[in-house]
Amino acid sequence: DADVTQTPRNRITKTGKRIMLECSQTKGHDRMYWYRQDPGLGLRLIYYSFDVKDINKGEISDGYSVSRQAQAKFSLSLESAIPNQTALYFCATSGTDGETQYFGPGTRLLVL
Amino acid sequence: GESVGLHLPTLSVQEGDNSIINCAYSNSASDYFIWYKQESGKGPQFIIDIRSNMDKRQGQRVTVLLNKTVKHLSLQIAATQPGDSAVYFCAEKSWGKFQFGAGTQVVVTP
Repeated sequence: DADVTQTPRNRITKTGKRIMLECSQTKGHDRMYWYRQDPGLGLRLIYYSFDVKDINKGEISDGYSVSRQAQAKFSLSLESAIPNQTALYFCATSGTDGETQYFGPGTRLLVL
Repeated sequence: GESVGLHLPTLSVQEGDNSIINCAYSNSASDYFIWYKQESGKGPQFIIDIRSNMDKRQGQRVTVLLNKTVKHLSLQIAATQPGDSAVYFCAEKSWGKFQFGAGTQVVVTP
C-alpha cells in the first residue's frame, strides 16, 4: 500500500466551484505539505503544516486554504476555483528533520 | 540543465550508456540538496541527497556531485536502463525551505 495517498486522482470542475483535495499518510510523519506543479516549472509550495495545530502559508497560498484534521490527514481547498488553478497538485510528508519528502501520486485538476 | 518555461530540456541516452543531468542552483546558502525522479503520472521519488559539506555521494548506480563554487549539482546514472526514463529534478534547501528545479526529461533509447 502507498504511504501517501491522494484523492481524487483526477478532477474537472467549473470556475467558481469549491473543491477539496485530500491527502492521507501512513508514514507517521508530523510534517505535511501541499505543492502545485505546472508544465515546465518546479514544484511550488502552497501550504505546509508541522503538526496538527500548525498551519503555514507557502509561496502561493492565495486562493487556497488547508485543514489538518489529524496527523495523518491534510486537505487542500480551492474556495472558488479559477482556470489558472489548473495544475497537478502534490501532497508530501517529511519527518521532523524536514528533509527527505515523500510525495503522493498527485491530483490532476482542470478548472473550466 | 534546468530551465524555467513550458518545455523541459531533454536528454536522450542510449541504453547502457551513462547519463549526466545538470542543475544550477540559486542560493549559495543552500545546505542540502536532493535529486528526484518523476515518472509519467506519478509523484516525485527520492533518488539521492547530499549535504553542502560534501562534494560527492554515491548510491546504487547513481552519483551526485556538488560544486559549491559555481553552484552546480549533477546526477550521474550509470548504465542507463529503460526504466530510468523520467523527469529528473533537483531541490535545494536553504533556511528550512526547499526550492525545486523544473527538471530534465531523460529518454532512454534502445
